[in-house]
Amino acid sequence: AQSVSQHNHHVILSEAASLELGCNYSYGGTVNLFWYVQYPGQHLQLLLKYFSGDPLVKGIKGFEAEFIKSKFSFNLRKPSVQWSDTAEYFCAVKDDKIIFGKGTRLHILP
Amino acid sequence: NAGVTQTPKFQVLKTGQSMTLQCAQDMNHNSMYWYRQDPGMGLRLIYYSASEGTTDKGEVPNGYNVSRLNKREFSLRLESAAPSQTSVYFCASSEEPPFLRDRDGEQYFGPGTRLTVT
Repeated sequence: AQSVSQHNHHVILSEAASLELGCNYSYGGTVNLFWYVQYPGQHLQLLLKYFSGDPLVKGIKGFEAEFIKSKFSFNLRKPSVQWSDTAEYFCAVKDDKIIFGKGTRLHILP
Repeated sequence: NAGVTQTPKFQVLKTGQSMTLQCAQDMNHNSMYWYRQDPGMGLRLIYYSASEGTTDKGEVPNGYNVSRLNKREFSLRLESAAPSQTSVYFCASSEEPPFLRDRDGEQYFGPGTRLTVT
């Protein structure tokens, strides 16, 4: 069965640092890929998604992710984080069902 | 549009009590889902409803039942609550079920219900 790995469980960065959060899924074929964000005390909301086309996807708040099919990866990046990016980030993969990773808790130091 | 709404926001139950969590969406979505979120476990699917009139088990269905009352509403029932069911419960909806290959499967989430079972 499909699975999703988020390698970093907890990341602490200072403001203005660059961010990369890893996401790998277990096997290929046609997949759709998502990053969701959950700000403290709030519900999950979509950050960005890959459906088809350009493998470099730009999302809200300056985030982007690159789909690398050969590596089964969809890493999330942001060149310069802000304190307001403190949140939990979830990668998800859809083939015939949607599977979420366990999440990465990001803490930005002011 | 309110999107996905859930009630209640918070609930405390004693072991053995029952309760129903309510979820409604106003986006005319066909598919609806119930997840639980526990620290370090991410989101785990309890049940889903691909379309009105159908429901299917997810990853962790034991101890729960669901009803797809109509296209808008999808409720989750705990018949006899246990401390292991202490969690945050999220309802979500999507336009189409995930097994449809030509749809991206984006989900829209409700605000969650924080349930404590003592």
